[in-house]
Amino acid sequence: DAGITQSPRHKVTETGTPVTLRCHQTENHRYMYWYRQDPGHGLRLIHYSYGVKDTDKGEVSDGYSVSRSKTEDFLLTLESATSSQTSVYFCAIANQGLASTDTQYFGPGTRLTVL
Amino acid sequence: GQNIDQPTEMTATEGAIVQINCTYQTSGFNGLFWYQQHAGEAPTFLSYNVLDGLEEKGRFSSFLSRSKGYSYLLLKELQMKDSASYLCAVKGNYGQNFVFGPGTRLSVLP
Repeated sequence: DAGITQSPRHKVTETGTPVTLRCHQTENHRYMYWYRQDPGHGLRLIHYSYGVKDTDKGEVSDGYSVSRSKTEDFLLTLESATSSQTSVYFCAIANQGLASTDTQYFGPGTRLTVL
Repeated sequence: GQNIDQPTEMTATEGAIVQINCTYQTSGFNGLFWYQQHAGEAPTFLSYNVLDGLEEKGRFSSFLSRSKGYSYLLLKELQMKDSASYLCAVKGNYGQNFVFGPGTRLSVLP
């Protein structure tokens, strides 16, 4: 299994509070992703990173920001959490070399509830 | 736009064969992936197709037709542990662009 951890694994917070989720990898993979998973929507990309300090927006980036100061860590921040951000958040990593066979490997997920 | 469609739910019997279909319309294509996700767990990689045809991996096979924007995952000799959601994902031309379908929840009954 790819070495990916997420913290916290569960969090309950109140509307309007800031929340930061952490993804940590030990695989030295270049690419890291944050997804959210909601019933009926599948996995939707929030932000991704293609290197240290290199990030870009995904499909559902509004209300979220990210940072990657080290290869191994990718942080997702909700500046002011809203109830619509209640979801399960997955981090994923990929080597994404020239070979198109590269897939993504997922972390265990963080269940976030915003009251 | 990008769209991936899968049946929401399927039910099959232990020992049987089941086919889970996936149709897609995406801007660019650089491979189709299937993932398995048990309830409360992370998705795990099952198979990958980039060329037309069938890829076989043990009890699981995946088929791709790029001209039809169609793939299926075939599960043989179903076991109770195969009860899970199966996610179809298409990789676009840019390496970061994985688009996931909504997933198919498979229930295997004794």
